[in-house]
Amino acid sequence: SAVISQKPSRDICQRGTSLTIQCQVDSQVTMMFWYRQQPGQSLTLIATANQGSEATYESGFVIDKFPISRPNLTFSTLTVSNMSPEDSSIYLCSVGGGGNYEQYFGPGTRLTVT
Amino acid sequence: AQTVTQSQPEMSVQEAETVTLSCTYDTSENNYYLFWYKQPPSRQMILVIRQEAYKQQNATENRFSVNFQKAAKSFSLKISDSQLGDTAMYFCAFMSPFQGAQKLVFGQGTRLTINP
Repeated sequence: SAVISQKPSRDICQRGTSLTIQCQVDSQVTMMFWYRQQPGQSLTLIATANQGSEATYESGFVIDKFPISRPNLTFSTLTVSNMSPEDSSIYLCSVGGGGNYEQYFGPGTRLTVT
Repeated sequence: AQTVTQSQPEMSVQEAETVTLSCTYDTSENNYYLFWYKQPPSRQMILVIRQEAYKQQNATENRFSVNFQKAAKSFSLKISDSQLGDTAMYFCAFMSPFQGAQKLVFGQGTRLTINP
């Protein structure tokens, strides 16, 4: 499985500001995903990060709030824009696209918005 | 839309015991994949086991095995000889590779505690 890192591991931010989370993989991968895990909850897919094209967003998530970049096959960023306390969550990236359809997750970024 | 249900919010067993976590799902598709993920307090999501829907044989990974009942849409995880390190949140997940999308749909999770 791939080795995935995320930066930052945690952050405390003021409402109204933005935070960009980075996801780096040690090998080229076809598919990268961003998930949100609200406190005490399960994981929900935000979007699929597509290399060379715009991300594909799930219902309830919009590009203006969660812009995503995927400049190459090993790197992606997720920005949480104009943050409010409701954005306090763990944000996880995952990689997949292999023939066995397994997804592997990064360590997550714990975001607290005050 | 697919849904995944884990009906046991919390479970607790003694070390070395066997424990079974339940998961049911709803889908109209015939070809899909099911997964169990473990999330310890470190919050790292760890893939435990994978099951392909087209395979009748239940998947096994060391102490972890599944009971996959396709007609009943049931996918339970059995942990044998449980260890303290098995303490974690366990999430059941569904994925259909239909049309190239590989979205994981997760259940609500079961918090498993292994007691010494």
